[in-house]
Amino acid sequence: QVQLQESGPGLVRPSETLSLTCTVSDESIDNYYWSWLRQSPGKGLEWIGYISHSGNTNYNPSLKSRVTISVATSKTHFSLRLTSVTAADTAVYYCARGDKWYEFDFWGQGTQVTVS
Amino acid sequence: SSELTQPPSVSASPGQTARITCSGDVLSTQYVYFYQQKPGQAPLLIISKDTERPSGIPERFSGSSSGTTVTLTISGVQAEDEADYYCQSADSDSPDPHVLFGGGTKLTVL
Repeated sequence: QVQLQESGPGLVRPSETLSLTCTVSDESIDNYYWSWLRQSPGKGLEWIGYISHSGNTNYNPSLKSRVTISVATSKTHFSLRLTSVTAADTAVYYCARGDKWYEFDFWGQGTQVTVS
Repeated sequence: SSELTQPPSVSASPGQTARITCSGDVLSTQYVYFYQQKPGQAPLLIISKDTERPSGIPERFSGSSSGTTVTLTISGVQAEDEADYYCQSADSDSPDPHVLFGGGTKLTVL
């Protein structure tokens, strides 16, 4: 079955850009929707956005001006860029797969990102 | 309004039934998904499209829908069910379609 693995720096300076990659194994990125979500310390889940199998994207309105989700040409991973980060962006970041853009049936294990 | 509301906490003794509600106006037209999250782990999809149980999820987990409320029922609660549970839906009719999450419910097994 599909496996997802997040990777990227665990520490980002304020005002800089957070960049994460989700490596997808045992599944084609040409199928499904691929999303990023996050969870701040002790808080609930927050959807960041998705990229579809056809390359369409949609983002959380509250983050839209700072977020870009893209798929690598190799089609083996997809990425998240979040610009102008602040302490409020400190969270565990997850990538996930869905049959619909609003569905998340497989998740990566998550990666902690601290803005400091 | 574009929000999902869950009780912050629910408790049940082993063998009892626990019910976690999720309410929101969008639920009259949109499906709900429930996720179970244990400490240090990623969320796990346990109920899809209000009532469907993904492969591998125990039968004691079920979902039901009525109007703008969807209920996750755990029949015969086990100690291993102690976790945070999140409901999720989507506001597809908004000019900016987006995903919604409830605030989460902590299930304590007494």
